[in-house]
Amino acid sequence: EAAVTQSPRSKVAVTGGKVTLSCHQTNNHDYMYWYRQDTGHGLRLIHYSYVADSTEKGDIPDGYKASRPSQENFSLILELASLSQTAVYFCASSDGTQNTLYFGAGTRLSVL
Amino acid sequence: AQKVIQVWSTTSRQEGEKLTLDCSYKTSQVLYHLFWYKHLLSGEMVLLIRQMPSTIAIERSGRYSVVFQKSRKSISLVISTLQPDDSGKYFCALWELAANTGANTGKLTFGHGTILRVHP
Repeated sequence: EAAVTQSPRSKVAVTGGKVTLSCHQTNNHDYMYWYRQDTGHGLRLIHYSYVADSTEKGDIPDGYKASRPSQENFSLILELASLSQTAVYFCASSDGTQNTLYFGAGTRLSVL
Repeated sequence: AQKVIQVWSTTSRQEGEKLTLDCSYKTSQVLYHLFWYKHLLSGEMVLLIRQMPSTIAIERSGRYSVVFQKSRKSISLVISTLQPDDSGKYFCALWELAANTGANTGKLTFGHGTILRVHP
């Protein structure tokens, strides 16, 4: 039933390793987003996408890449994970008209 | 500078009380939307309220409402008759058109959030 599904729900990664976070939506939305949440911060936008095969940089893109191979799927890639990337990551989708974001359940990433 | 400001980082209340969570925002756009989201302990992020400057707020349930003061650029979330299940983290968020291009990126800018604990 969940319209935005993230995987994995939690992950422990080693510093310098590659991490891929996946997001799948069944809302038929064109817009998708990756946010991270840290203690003491709100959600901050990393990357977003309007359409398949195209991504845009958000407010804090450094150290992250994104991939949108289809309307339904949006991945966040950490090529060289660092301690500072320990956070909860949220994927969201939007139809771009009501501007309401529909979120996944989040991925808790710990980089050791 | 922060565009969305939530003053309280953490607050505690007793079951049955009424709570107001304040949020102020900064925008030069005429067209913008405001949102209140709740981050549940389960991890789910749920929409509570969507407010447009020219319309009445859309409420998620009868216990959630907003006090919207457009001239003060303030939107407060009011939760009446608090229940332990209201515990969680509440985020205020702003959508606006991109200042430089006027384009709709659809992205939201969030406040830091307020953690609420409701005690039985």
